[in-house]
Amino acid sequence: GESVGLHLPTLSVQEGDNSIINCAYSNSASDYFIWYKQESGKGPQFIIDIRSNMDKRQGQRVTVLLNKTVKHLSLQIAATQPGDSAVYFCAEMGGSGTYKYIFGTGTRLKVLA
Amino acid sequence: EAGVVQSPRYKIIEKKQPVAFWCNPISGHNTLYWYRQNLGQGPELLIRYENEEAVDDSQLPKDRFSAERLKGVDSTLKIQPAELGDSAVYLCASMGFSTDTQYFGPGTRLTVL
Repeated sequence: GESVGLHLPTLSVQEGDNSIINCAYSNSASDYFIWYKQESGKGPQFIIDIRSNMDKRQGQRVTVLLNKTVKHLSLQIAATQPGDSAVYFCAEMGGSGTYKYIFGTGTRLKVLA
Repeated sequence: EAGVVQSPRYKIIEKKQPVAFWCNPISGHNTLYWYRQNLGQGPELLIRYENEEAVDDSQLPKDRFSAERLKGVDSTLKIQPAELGDSAVYLCASMGFSTDTQYFGPGTRLTVL
């Protein structure tokens, strides 16, 4: 793989603050997007998803925003907790019926006590 | 409901040896994926199955990798012979018929010495 992948972007946040993790996706035809959380030694865990006909979706403490104009996705975590520390990946599904995900590089979230 | 099950969780082998990974998807999920995840990177698709049919194996290195899903349920991914560069986490994911959401197993961490 590319050496840049060994140096994950890192976001450090104080416990209790809000976190915003950003992702640029590649395919303007992608119509489904997911955020995954991956803790060390575990597989990616589904957090929240959004379809291209929406620009915002809220879950419990998490919100995903989609800006199709600039092909940008963000994940907002409210009142960040130590258990939120992990690597976060966005994934896009390229076009209706392809069922093929393309994953972003990932962002490491560190929650400071 | 049980999630995606993978075994073994860890495997250490010497180069040129064969290795196999097993995956049992979530019950009723017809689509199964095998991914490879290198350190600090997002998962990369190796192969996708719809029931017992491999519908996308374009990124599977067929000279040494093979996969099967004979009865459309569990699946095996094999590497023979393994090379040093195959060291990675091998993830299995499954998806139900009426959804676009993939659910991942815990992965198998392979170390080739």
